[in-house]
Amino acid sequence: AQKITQTQPGMFVQEKEAVTLDCTYDTSDPSYGLFWYKQPSSGEMIFLIYQGSYDQQNATEGRYSLNFQKARKSANLVISASQLGDSAMYFCAMRENNNAGNMLTFGGGTRLMVKP
Amino acid sequence: SAVISQKPSRDICQRGTSLTIQCQVDSQVTMMFWYRQQPGQSLTLIATANQGSEATYESGFVIDKFPISRPNLTFSTLTVSNMSPEDSSIYLCSVYWRKGAGELFFGEGSRLTVL
Repeated sequence: AQKITQTQPGMFVQEKEAVTLDCTYDTSDPSYGLFWYKQPSSGEMIFLIYQGSYDQQNATEGRYSLNFQKARKSANLVISASQLGDSAMYFCAMRENNNAGNMLTFGGGTRLMVKP
Repeated sequence: SAVISQKPSRDICQRGTSLTIQCQVDSQVTMMFWYRQQPGQSLTLIATANQGSEATYESGFVIDKFPISRPNLTFSTLTVSNMSPEDSSIYLCSVYWRKGAGELFFGEGSRLTVL
């Protein structure tokens, strides 16, 4: 079974509007972390936001917020006031803390395209 | 945050040749990770490189094809051996940043095209 699922291969959003990118995950580990990364066409991976499984509040970082619904095992990324520079691939990832290797498992990604 | 430099940033290679990718980190780190991203795909972990021990490879990746060196706590290399067009990918070096949220920081990636 996929550990991280991103069901939207591509999304369009109008500039200045908000957009939600979906991410669901599967784990039996009670302690885990969820991450979102942005990958522009240049190929670099840019860390955006983190949510810990025990965090009581939804994470926010500037225009990025994470809609964490633990019971539903979802960690959707919300980008407010979209900008043209937000056009990129977005990857959701998870680290399970029983994983001694500390590696991240990535979802398939969502390509976001911001329309002017 | 960690600063990670990768070389080369991109290369075009001939089938059957090998290429070594270098990864330099500006601080000492215990674990370094090598990921592969095939065209249009997500990231897949190749191996974890610890200083002073052999790398730990994920299922589907073997040392003969992807030998890794980790001579010290700030440097690692990944070699892609006997390349074929299926090896055309972005290869990314990453480190685990404990001072932050525990996120992985990535190098700029090495984009390889095999003809």
